[in-house]
Amino acid sequence: QKEVEQNSGPLSVPEGAIASLNCTYSDRGSQSFFWYRQYSGKSPELIMSIYSNGDKEDGRFTAQLNKASQYVSLLIRDSQPSDSATYLCAVINAGNNRKLIWGLGTSLAVNP
Amino acid sequence: DTAVSQTPKYLVTQMGNDKSIKCEQNLGHDTMYWYKQDSKKFLKIMFSYNNKELIINETVPNRFSPKSPDKAHLNLHINSLELGDSAVYFCASSKDRSYEQYFGPGTRLTVT
Repeated sequence: QKEVEQNSGPLSVPEGAIASLNCTYSDRGSQSFFWYRQYSGKSPELIMSIYSNGDKEDGRFTAQLNKASQYVSLLIRDSQPSDSATYLCAVINAGNNRKLIWGLGTSLAVNP
Repeated sequence: DTAVSQTPKYLVTQMGNDKSIKCEQNLGHDTMYWYKQDSKKFLKIMFSYNNKELIINETVPNRFSPKSPDKAHLNLHINSLELGDSAVYFCASSKDRSYEQYFGPGTRLTVT
C-alpha cells in the first residue's frame, strides 16, 4: 500500500462546476496535511494546509480532513480553466524525521 | 521579492561532468530541502537540512552532496553526472519540519 494515494485522473469537469479531489494516507499518526497545485513546467504551489478534522475554507477552495477514515479532500468551487493543473496531496508522517510524503497527483482539466 | 530562488534555471551538460545548483531563501525558515522530479512527475525527497544540520538523507548516490553554509542557503553538488540524473530539481524551505514547504522555481538538468 502506498503511503499517500491519489487517483491519477485525469479528472475532467466543466467550467463552473465543483471539482472534488481525494487523497488517502496510511500513517494513522500523521498530523499535517497539504494540497499543492503544480502547473506544467512550474514548481508546486501551496494551496491549502489543514491540521485538524473538519473543513477549512479559503476562497473557492475547501479542504476536508477525516483522520478516522484517513482521507483528506480538496473541493474547488466554480472551477475555472485556470484551475487546470496537477494537484498534489502531501502528508507529514508521524516518525522522528517528520518527512513530507507525496502522492503522485491528480490531473484536473476544467473545460470551458 | 523572490522567496525561494535557485540558480541556474536550466543546466545542460555532458555525462561525467560535475555541476552545482544553488538555492537561497529569504523567508527566515529553518529547514531546507532538495527534491528530484523525474519525467513521471513523482516528487522524491533527496535531502533536508534543519539549521544547517542534515536531517533527511534518502537513498541517493554518493555523487550527490548537499552543502548548507547557513540557514538561508542549500546547495547541491553532483559529481560524475549520468543520463539518469536528468530531471527537474526543486529546492524548498519551511519554517520547521512540521510546516508547509515553499518551493523554488526548479532547475531543469539535462545530461547528454
